[in-house]
This record gives sequence, C-alpha cells and structure tokens, in this order.
Amino acid sequence: EPEVTQTPSHQVTQMGQEVILRCVPISNHLYFYWYRQILGQKVEFLVSFYNNEISEKSEIFDDQFSVERPDGSNFTLKIRSTKLEDSAMYFCASSGEVGDEQFFGPGTRLTVL
Amino acid sequence: LAKTTQPISMDSYEGQEVNITCSHNNIATNDYITWYQQFPSQGPRFIIQGYKTKVTNEVASLFIPADRKSSTLSLPRVSLSDTAVYYCLVGASYSSASKIIFGSGTRLSIRP
Repeated sequence: EPEVTQTPSHQVTQMGQEVILRCVPISNHLYFYWYRQILGQKVEFLVSFYNNEISEKSEIFDDQFSVERPDGSNFTLKIRSTKLEDSAMYFCASSGEVGDEQFFGPGTRLTVL
Repeated sequence: LAKTTQPISMDSYEGQEVNITCSHNNIATNDYITWYQQFPSQGPRFIIQGYKTKVTNEVASLFIPADRKSSTLSLPRVSLSDTAVYYCLVGASYSSASKIIFGSGTRLSIRP
C-alpha cells in the first residue's frame, strides 16, 4: 500500500536555526498539506499546496514558514528561525483527486532547544 | 464547518463493541461525516466516511440517522491496538483540497 514518508523522524535544533522537514507524498497525489501537533494538543492545519502554489494557510503559517516542491517527489517545510514554541510533531499529508481522503505521514518530531 | 461534539474519553475491554457518538446539530446539506483515527505518536488515519444511513468497511461501521444531526462510529470486537484518539469531522467532503480542522477527539482506551 502506498504511503507518505517523512524525514527525519526526529530533529533537534537550537533556537534561531533553520530547519527543513521533508516529505515524500504518495506518487500520484496532487494536493499536499502540512499539519502540526504540539504535545498533548490538537492537530493544527498549517498549509495546503496544489499546482505548485499555496492554496490556503493558517495564522500559524507566518513569514518564518515556507513550503516548496523542489522536484517531482519531495515536499518540504522550512522554518527559517526556529522558536521554542515550534517544538511539535509535524505531519505531512497528501490526497489525490478532490474527493479522496488525506493520507498522513508518520511525522517529524521537532525539538527546539 | 459544522461544529461537532464527542466524548472526551471512553474506556472499554477487549472483545467488546465500542460505539462513539458525535453530535453535529448544524450539519449542512452538502456535508459529509468523516472519522479519523490517531494512534500515539502517529499521523491521523482515515477510517470511514458517510452521508446518510449506514456505511461499513473492514474497520468500522458508521450509523447516521435520518436527521443527520448525529452519527455513531461502531468498532466491532475491539482489541488493545484500537486504543487511539478518534476524530469526528463534518464538512463538505469530497473537497479534500481543503484543510481538515481537528477537534479534541475521543480518547479510547481498551483494557485487557
């Protein structure tokens, strides 16, 4: 069964550093998403991406965040200058044509020290 | 998006049938009802989706009464591995290009 993969599984960084979280969506999917979940809290939507541009973004997704699909397979989330409060699990998801459910990856645990 | 209300937590035992009810009084005509499951330290996973009456797949059943103001996710003969958080979502699905707004979900704990 095809699945969404994410790397790394765990990233530890110092406050102020840049991090890039990587995702490989399911190969024939067209819609891509990033969500995050702070420990013990709800899963929160960050951004959706389609046709090489952002479709929608939340208030959380400020200028420190950016997304990119650098090639035909990867989908990345960059945080330019990490803050302590960015510590969370970050989930990538993808979906096929409109009407399909979203498939989530296993997540990257980001720890900002 | 229609607001949903579901129990914060539920406990059950292995082998039992578990029913989790979700209220969505303001559901719109175009809205579907979707349930996701999240195991600890994993991403959410789609379980089932329905519009009315009953839907069944290999994992669960979804019962939706005629007024659609509530729905019940039914897990037959649960095992320890069904311990997870279950999210009820209501929205104009078949619009998967849209974000998912997760609530707090129902934390289901299965005991031996």
